[in-house]
Amino acid sequence: DIQMTQSPSSLSASLGDRVTITCRASQDIGNYLNWYQQKPGKAPKVLIYAVSNLQGGVPSRFTGSGSGTEFTLTISTLQPEDFGTYFCQQSSSLHPLSFGPGTKLDIK
Amino acid sequence: QVQLQESGPGLIKSSETLSLTCTVSGGSITNSYWSWIRQSPGKGLEWIGCIYYSGLTFYNPSLKSRVTIFRDTSTNRYSLRLNSVTAADTAVYYCARTERHGLNVFSGYFFDDWGHGTLVTVSS
Repeated sequence: DIQMTQSPSSLSASLGDRVTITCRASQDIGNYLNWYQQKPGKAPKVLIYAVSNLQGGVPSRFTGSGSGTEFTLTISTLQPEDFGTYFCQQSSSLHPLSFGPGTKLDIK
Repeated sequence: QVQLQESGPGLIKSSETLSLTCTVSGGSITNSYWSWIRQSPGKGLEWIGCIYYSGLTFYNPSLKSRVTIFRDTSTNRYSLRLNSVTAADTAVYYCARTERHGLNVFSGYFFDDWGHGTLVTVSS
């Protein structure tokens, strides 16, 4: 199985800050990396697929980068609605698809 | 926009079978891919398995011996059955429409539209 890790596990940031979350895979997953945002009590929402492709309706302040085993999600200018938990997910192997443990983002 | 809604018992007893159904509207389950995902405090987000537009299924190896995903195209629903449950199966269960990018049919999957989720508690 491919194991996913994320850092930090939590962070607090101020409005307008630039925020970066890192996701690492236990083996090379190429560009098969997706990012989700989850608000409390809600289902996750896909933000980015295939490392850097913004899903429709997602603000352009969200960007993704990386390849192989290390990936980043960056929020360029933090907005109030960006609080929540962010998950990465690898789709290199269907056996099984797997998620990172999440990064909880609080707004200061 | 495709909408999904999970339904099923919220409380079941240990060793029983968990059965959930996902009703899909705004799209046909004979198109795309359809997954079950669960989320618990202890295990985070866990992909359970998926059923293709063709009816082909893939399961998480860790659950494969206990899981069945099947569909009813006449009602546009697909279902999850998980046998011999324990407290470790207590989780919020989501159904999700699954998209795929790229040329490799075994890679590139991401979860585009989700149901609201349903909490299933396994009691002893």
